[in-house]
Amino acid sequence: QKEVEQDPGPLSVPEGAIVSLNCTYSNSAFQYFMWYRQYSRKGPELLMYTYSSGNKEDGRFTAQVDKSSKYISLFIRDSQPSDSATYLCAMGSRYNTNAGKSTFGDGTTLTVKP
Amino acid sequence: ETGVTQSPTHLIKTRGQQVTLRCSSQSGHNTVSWYQQALGQGPQFIFQYYREEENGRGNFPPRFSGLQFPNYSSELNVNALELDDSALYLCASSLESRSDTQYFGPGTRLTVL
Repeated sequence: QKEVEQDPGPLSVPEGAIVSLNCTYSNSAFQYFMWYRQYSRKGPELLMYTYSSGNKEDGRFTAQVDKSSKYISLFIRDSQPSDSATYLCAMGSRYNTNAGKSTFGDGTTLTVKP
Repeated sequence: ETGVTQSPTHLIKTRGQQVTLRCSSQSGHNTVSWYQQALGQGPQFIFQYYREEENGRGNFPPRFSGLQFPNYSSELNVNALELDDSALYLCASSLESRSDTQYFGPGTRLTVL
């Protein structure tokens, strides 16, 4: 079983919809949680990172973490065609031998149709 | 402020050959991490270099090796290439060995025939 499982998608929504992207994890040592956006044939772009349970908002994006359920989500409000990309969740821990390592989900591909 | 750059963009090699991929870190960052991303999968951690020393390694064999230079640029070397090494190789730079704020380069797409 993978340490990080991500809803595989693909996901197709109309422009203006609210999008929910989700990941679960099994490693209790994970302390911080990241969301990346990756366009086709490009490197991942860091969207948001958070350390604590609860919500963190940045413009149209909200990252939600529930450590008790080992569940994280990214919400995109008023989705735009330019949001069409693959979204990757990632997690890490400061206190192991690989403190610099991020563990990624396999990504959810989102298409926002005009 | 310059971002993370990688070279070359694409590379085709044959099985058994050796390859060197290069990465220049974002200005001011002293840590570089390398990841392998197979098609349809998330990036997998290869190793990290912090202040020119290896600072953690993922589940990759010793034929994957690296270097970090005093200017914090980095190389990934892969010996005895196998077909399964075909992937997008990403480097990410950050400060002080952190992984919460890593900034990725565009990647090098390696094809092994």
